[in-house]
Amino acid sequence: GAVVSQHPSRVICKSGTSVKIECRSLDFQATTMFWYRQFPKQSLMLMATSNEGSKATYEQGVEKDKFLINHASLTLSTLTVTSAHPEDSSFYICSARSFTNEKLFFGSGTQLSVL
Amino acid sequence: QKEVEQDPGPLSVPEGAIVSLNCTYSNSAFQYFMWYRQYSRKGPELLMYTYSSGNKEDGRFTAQVDKSSKYISLFIRDSQPSDSATYLCAMRTGGADGLTFGKGTHLIIQP
Repeated sequence: GAVVSQHPSRVICKSGTSVKIECRSLDFQATTMFWYRQFPKQSLMLMATSNEGSKATYEQGVEKDKFLINHASLTLSTLTVTSAHPEDSSFYICSARSFTNEKLFFGSGTQLSVL
Repeated sequence: QKEVEQDPGPLSVPEGAIVSLNCTYSNSAFQYFMWYRQYSRKGPELLMYTYSSGNKEDGRFTAQVDKSSKYISLFIRDSQPSDSATYLCAMRTGGADGLTFGKGTHLIIQP
């Protein structure tokens, strides 16, 4: 099956710093990538949808200036959590879909802990 | 009412039992239905993918979709301890939209 690589798997940072998370599709071209957030014992909540070469579409309640998404190529999308605060601590997961395949494949997730 | 309802469990069954996991939904526009398995602090792994109504079987797993009742199921036969995980149902309408997930059911298979 398709492989989506997400890095880092875990990051601990101080409050006020910025953190970048990378999501790469390894064996297909991801025309659309999605970013989710998952709090403990909760479901995945869609944060934003990004299409290659265009601006991301954010879900209601998600601050676009805080969660910067870049989808500059067909194999790479990045999520930058700017000026992170403890309430941003969560499990962030990306997923990717190719133009020819309706299925979504997920990265392994990034556990962000903001001190 | 949430768009997708799923009992969070935990659901504990003995090894070898048949497991039945279910989700109900309210949005009749959903067309694509998926089941994901998620181990603790890992990304979801796609198990089953179904378009519209019907049944789909893959090894020990069977997915059923009943669009008239807005109800989907995942059956696991001959359950094994390695099946212990959280199972998430997910669905979407089509096009470029993202998935709407259920809360996930925590499944425990007792050896």
